[in-house]
Amino acid sequence: SQQGEEDPQALSIQEGENATMNCSYKTSINNLQWYRQNSGRGLVHLILIRSNEREKHSGRLRVTLDTSKKSSSLLITASRAADTASYFCATDAKGTGGFKTIFGAGTRLFVKA
Amino acid sequence: DTAVSQTPKYLVTQMGNDKSIKCEQNLGHDTMYWYKQDSKKFLKIMFSYNNKELIINETVPNRFSPKSPDKAHLNLHINSLELGDSAVYFCASSPFNQRVQETQYFGPGTRLLVL
Repeated sequence: SQQGEEDPQALSIQEGENATMNCSYKTSINNLQWYRQNSGRGLVHLILIRSNEREKHSGRLRVTLDTSKKSSSLLITASRAADTASYFCATDAKGTGGFKTIFGAGTRLFVKA
Repeated sequence: DTAVSQTPKYLVTQMGNDKSIKCEQNLGHDTMYWYKQDSKKFLKIMFSYNNKELIINETVPNRFSPKSPDKAHLNLHINSLELGDSAVYFCASSPFNQRVQETQYFGPGTRLLVL
């Protein structure tokens, strides 16, 4: 089963509005990361939040982490058409040889100009 | 000066064929990965190598065989291709850390279509 699951699956907003995406996971984590994927491209790392952090900012991005609820949210403020992409949360799971990153199914964000 | 590169970008082939995808990273990372992204955009790890050694091997058919000639390269060979292998395959790399998962850097993907 999926470790990270995003909500909503798709989100359509107007340029200038804020976009909030949520991620829930099942087991304990060391850190949680958010990635962006533009259509037809590879994933690009956006932000990493450690399990002992509650909030982190990077430019127009704000990430929160609630380990008691096993959930995280990504807020993009003052969205732009260029923010149109899929956004994935990723959590770590320890395997026998090392860590594996488990990605959620993603939220598809459409920002209309 | 691409950080993580993959070749080919597109691969169209017939069922039953054998094909390879190559990946190279110039970031000096010790760890490399192969992911498969299906048509619903679901991304799942297949393999992970650290300094040429296999460290993660998910439930992947034996038809998939990764090979790491050195820590900057991780290739993926697929035998007897099936329709269900059609997907986008991503290579990624990261520094190695025994305590936490580090940020990964992804290649542009190889779009495989099996006819």
